[in-house]
Amino acid sequence: EPEVTQTPSHQVTQMGQEVILRCVPISNHLYFYWYRQILGQKVEFLVSFYNNEISEKSEIFDDQFSVERPDGSNFTLKIRSTKLEDSAMYFCASREGTGGLYGYTFGSGTRLTVV
Amino acid sequence: AQSVTQPDIHITVSEGASLELRCNYSYGATPYLFWYVQSPGQGLQLLLKYFSGDTLVQGIKGFEAEFKRSQSSFNLRKPSVHWSDAAEYFCAVGAQDNRKLIWGLGTSLAVNP
Repeated sequence: EPEVTQTPSHQVTQMGQEVILRCVPISNHLYFYWYRQILGQKVEFLVSFYNNEISEKSEIFDDQFSVERPDGSNFTLKIRSTKLEDSAMYFCASREGTGGLYGYTFGSGTRLTVV
Repeated sequence: AQSVTQPDIHITVSEGASLELRCNYSYGATPYLFWYVQSPGQGLQLLLKYFSGDTLVQGIKGFEAEFKRSQSSFNLRKPSVHWSDAAEYFCAVGAQDNRKLIWGLGTSLAVNP
């Protein structure tokens, strides 16, 4: 079964450093998402991406965050200057289309720890 | 406001017992409803989804869920739980265009042998 692959599985970074979280969505999927889950809290939507541009973003997704699909296969989330509160599990997801027929396929997540 | 409530933070059942995990939602439009499961160290795996039609939906691993519009609920059930079902279960709701999902806090399921 096709999978969404996320790397790395764990990342520890110092506050103020830039991090790039990488995702390889399923190859025929067109819609891409990042979600995050702070320990003990709900999964939160960050951003959706379609046709090489952001479709929607949440209040969390401020100027410190950016997404890119640089080569047609990878989908990256960059945090320019990490803060302690960015520590969370980050999930990438992709979908073939929109509408009820299409579910989201999630990756295994990247656990980001900012120290 | 759009929200999903999973009233039970933690549930423990005995292996072989039946299971029901509750999910209530508040959503202005016709919702699409999802249940996901997360095992330790794993990603979020789709168990089942509802978007129209029969209000009782069957999913993987023997799970089913029933959409009750009058109660704004989408409870997950399994008639006989296996030890491997121990995991975190998340209910989520999305709009018809499904640009994003809104999630519940999750229910942690423990299974006693």
